[in-house]
Amino acid sequence: DAEITQSPRHKITETGRQVTLACHQTWNHNNMFWYRQDLGHGLRLIHYSYGVQDTNKGEVSDGYSVSRSNTEDLPLTLESAASSQTSVYFCASSASPRGEQYFGPGTRLTVT
Amino acid sequence: AQSVTQLDSQVPVFEEAPVELRCNYSSSVSVYLFWYVQYPNQGLQLLLKYLSGSTLVKGINGFEAEFNKSQTSFHLRKPSVHISDTAEYFCAVRILNDYKLSFGAGTTVTVRA
Repeated sequence: DAEITQSPRHKITETGRQVTLACHQTWNHNNMFWYRQDLGHGLRLIHYSYGVQDTNKGEVSDGYSVSRSNTEDLPLTLESAASSQTSVYFCASSASPRGEQYFGPGTRLTVT
Repeated sequence: AQSVTQLDSQVPVFEEAPVELRCNYSSSVSVYLFWYVQYPNQGLQLLLKYLSGSTLVKGINGFEAEFNKSQTSFHLRKPSVHISDTAEYFCAVRILNDYKLSFGAGTTVTVRA
């Protein structure tokens, strides 16, 4: 069955370190998204991609970057982790505007 | 830009009672509307969606929602809840021909025996 996976599921890191969160989907969807979930804010869009070599900033993109070298993967990098980036991160993918976004299980990141 | 307001942050409810979760949105263009559910320690799962046509939409697990264009609302209902419906529920909108979702802050539903 097609799926979307995230790794690691839990990560503790120190302020200032670079961290990369992995997202891999096997639906062959062109569209992939990264969100962060914080209490009282729901999910907020960090970055998104509509295809290989395409990346776009979302509403909370400062301090984050993504790259898209193939259809299946969209890794999220925190260049210099900050305590404000402690959150749960979700990756999602979709095939079309009318279609469902499929979400991964999430990565809980703690920056100390 | 579009925005979503979920009017209740927490909804406690007894088992077998009905529940309604309220969602209002604002947008200058037509939108698609979604409800997602997040069970504890899991990702989000689609409950139902409104794209066009009938304003009453039925989803999984006995949930339904009604789109009201004049009131810009998309309220979620279930006539009789179970303990297993304890979860966080998110309303989301997407403008036509775009792929990005805008989420509300979420409503935590706690079902008690």
